[in-house]
Amino acid sequence: GEDVEQSLFLSVREGDSSVINCTYTDSSSTYLYWYKQEPGAGLQLLTYIFSNMDMKQDQRLTVLLNKKDKHLSLRIADTQTGDSAIYFCAVPNSNSGYALNFGKGTSLLVTP
Amino acid sequence: GAGVSQTPSNKVTEKGKYVELRCDPISGHTALYWYRQSLGQGPEFLIYFQGTGAADDSGLPNDRFFAVRPEGSVSTLKIQRTERGDSAVYLCASSLGSGRAYEQYFGPGTRLTVT
Repeated sequence: GEDVEQSLFLSVREGDSSVINCTYTDSSSTYLYWYKQEPGAGLQLLTYIFSNMDMKQDQRLTVLLNKKDKHLSLRIADTQTGDSAIYFCAVPNSNSGYALNFGKGTSLLVTP
Repeated sequence: GAGVSQTPSNKVTEKGKYVELRCDPISGHTALYWYRQSLGQGPEFLIYFQGTGAADDSGLPNDRFFAVRPEGSVSTLKIQRTERGDSAVYLCASSLGSGRAYEQYFGPGTRLTVT
């Protein structure tokens, strides 16, 4: 299966921008996803990007994709305390196409 | 509309016991997935159903784990002779179809604790 790597922790101040990074190994991925998990809650699909794009913006969220380096990032503008959560990068399994391979998640802490 | 629901939300069982975890997917979603999330890890794929059949069970860790979806809607994950290492959050997801283009919607999970 694919390796999906993320840094484990990020701490930012309220109002600053957050950037969460992800690297993956499979080059055939077509859609790449970002999920958010709040304490005690399930995974919420935040956004996704199609592999023929290099950027997608959705309100405060910006996804950047560098296919050459197999690097995906999620930028959250004007980060709020409510954004504190674990963020997972997910990439479809190259063999199956439907099973998602997740990173270990980046725990984002937003301080006032 | 209603999202993916899972019951129970928490299950504590003794080592060696049998447990069943239930998943109700979003109405009309033909694809259903089970994942397992251990503490500090991302979810790991277990099994995928397209309709009633298990199209891919390659993620099931061993033959103590089994899942069914008899009518193509509700699914039950069954674990026999539970072990302490089975303790995790079991997540169910569903999607309108299968393949890379279909978003997977996750339920809140069942937290299984084996004592």
